[in-house]
Amino acid sequence: DTEVTQTPKHLVMGMTNKKSLKCEQHMGHRAMYWYKQKAKKPPELMFVYSYEKLSINESVPSRFSPECPNSSLLNLHLHALQPEDSALYLCASSLGSSPLHFGNGTRLTVT
Amino acid sequence: GQQLNQSPQSMFIQEGEDVSMNCTSSSIFNTWLWYKQDPGEGPVLLIALYKAGELTSNGRLTAQFGITRKDSFLNISASIPSDVGIYFCAGQTTSGTYKYIFGTGTRLKVLA
Repeated sequence: DTEVTQTPKHLVMGMTNKKSLKCEQHMGHRAMYWYKQKAKKPPELMFVYSYEKLSINESVPSRFSPECPNSSLLNLHLHALQPEDSALYLCASSLGSSPLHFGNGTRLTVT
Repeated sequence: GQQLNQSPQSMFIQEGEDVSMNCTSSSIFNTWLWYKQDPGEGPVLLIALYKAGELTSNGRLTAQFGITRKDSFLNISASIPSDVGIYFCAGQTTSGTYKYIFGTGTRLKVLA
């Protein structure tokens, strides 16, 4: 079992929908990450929160909106997505610069 | 931007054989991590390397942080069927504590 929990496991949404991905960790980590992974490709960094503040945004389109309500929770709000946004969305956390711990991801399909 | 190139891209090996894969870049990294990812799951950390030249083992796995800080290798000894999966290296960039980029991956298939 992973100590980073992501919900939902699968999500299918239309291009006009609004949905949210959720991530939770209780390891006391103060950095949380969103990565996007297309099939047979490596994870690509999207956002990093450090101490609940956005510290890295890798030029992600505004239809992806991250939120960090507290040090244990990380959300990714989705709106007006495109079919090419279909991917596995991975959440990770770390204690400072320590290694990343990943959740099992949300498999997103945009129709 | 910075890129990490892994080789080989994929490999078939017989059970019991040793496996070696590596990760190279034209850029320097502060930390190297090795992950394994199974289908439908997130990457799982195998080994973390923090110093140039460091050699670290975890069971049948051994990894080294290259002296130049631009490369790393991972060895798996006496492979078993459950070693099947995709192995990724990840490097922590010098531009930020939280910025890790991933290599292109090595897909390992073990023949029993």
